[in-house]
Amino acid sequence: KAGVTQTPRYLIKTRGQQVTLSCSPISGHRSVSWYQQTPGQGLQFLFEYFSETQRNKGNFPGRFSGRQFSNSRSEMNVSTLELGDSALYLCASSSRQDYNEQFFGPGTRLTVL
Amino acid sequence: GENVEQHPSTLSVQEGDSAVIKCTYSDSASNYFPWYKQELGKGPQLIIDIRSNVGEKKDQRIAVTLNKTAKHFSLHITETQPEDSAVYFCAASTSGGSYIPTFGRGTSLIVHP
Repeated sequence: KAGVTQTPRYLIKTRGQQVTLSCSPISGHRSVSWYQQTPGQGLQFLFEYFSETQRNKGNFPGRFSGRQFSNSRSEMNVSTLELGDSALYLCASSSRQDYNEQFFGPGTRLTVL
Repeated sequence: GENVEQHPSTLSVQEGDSAVIKCTYSDSASNYFPWYKQELGKGPQLIIDIRSNVGEKKDQRIAVTLNKTAKHFSLHITETQPEDSAVYFCAASTSGGSYIPTFGRGTSLIVHP
């Protein structure tokens, strides 16, 4: 099976712009989670989608949003970018409704100038 | 909310030595504890996990122990090899329909040949 894919791998934006990141889960996986990874804050949970519904959300401002499509692919959007949004954004998929093994993608490296 | 402390932040060992990474958690409701390995330029990869009804789990050179009373769990790697060099993350979460992990800050393991 192909792994979790994320596009683009690298992105450079300027403050105030918005960005959309894409994630394709492993075939058959219906749960997709997003994480932000920074040297200062480590790995932080953003939100999780299952069957096109957001089931859980981390402690991030409303500028961070996401959605999931009927084919389980997911996108996350960050509006009004700030310098502090520079990070590696990771997507992970899981085949079960409950916890258990999450498969991470390689991430999208976002740089905000 | 949950708080996970991970130590040490850096661990340097000689090839063939053992390595131990320790994590403590604060929420007694947490019952799922995965460990991830992240190599440069890649997303985290689950290497082993343990649930609160188990005290120890082994997988070849890797083992995890859990002490629910003391709220700490540890990763043990025996006979370390240079390819074990990576950043290791512990996490804690509660089960029950969704998965919102809290991650430790990571341990950079360096195995010298």
